[in-house]
Amino acid sequence: DTAVSQTPKYLVTQMGNDKSIKCEQNLGHDTMYWYKQDSKKFLKIMFSYNNKELIINETVPNRFSPKSPDKAHLNLHINSLELGDSAVYFCASSQVGTGNSPLHFGNGTRLTVT
Amino acid sequence: GQQVMQIPQYQHVQEGEDFTTYCNSSTTLSNIQWYKQRPGGHPVFLIQLVKSGEVKKQKRLTFQFGEAKKNSSLHITATQTTDVGTYFCAGGTGGFKTIFGAGTRLFVKA
Repeated sequence: DTAVSQTPKYLVTQMGNDKSIKCEQNLGHDTMYWYKQDSKKFLKIMFSYNNKELIINETVPNRFSPKSPDKAHLNLHINSLELGDSAVYFCASSQVGTGNSPLHFGNGTRLTVT
Repeated sequence: GQQVMQIPQYQHVQEGEDFTTYCNSSTTLSNIQWYKQRPGGHPVFLIQLVKSGEVKKQKRLTFQFGEAKKNSSLHITATQTTDVGTYFCAGGTGGFKTIFGAGTRLFVKA
């Protein structure tokens, strides 16, 4: 029944490791996103895909690489993790461009880099 | 670049008191959305305002969109402990990008 599901919920890893976060939505939405929420709760968009095509790529280190195998899935791979990558990462989806329709967020993945 | 400023950053209220958070955009928006994030949770969509001067109500919550479509407010009447959380405004640009405000964290003391 979960509309936007992401895994894992928690991720604890050491600096230098590579990790992936997976996201799936069953809402039939065309657009998916990755947001990063830092310790001050600020929500910053990282990437957006529309029908598997990358349409937003904010100023994000190229250690972060999104992949959308189909429009229901958007995964995030992070190489060479750094301490500053510690944050909560939210996947989200919307029917069309988010300027016109609301975002549905997943439960978040709390990433801790030690 | 385009920014959405939100104030206050924090608000402590006694249960039963009213609460208001304000958003201002540096540019005209196509719409404004409001989200609530409970502690430890994820942002949940509350409402979207599209028209200039629009006012919408959801029980004790009143949402307004300014005439110039550059500012918005959320007012909660007679807060309850269940209102605790962070309230975000998010400005829609009509495309694929939504600009989030920094959020207002509401604390309610019983």
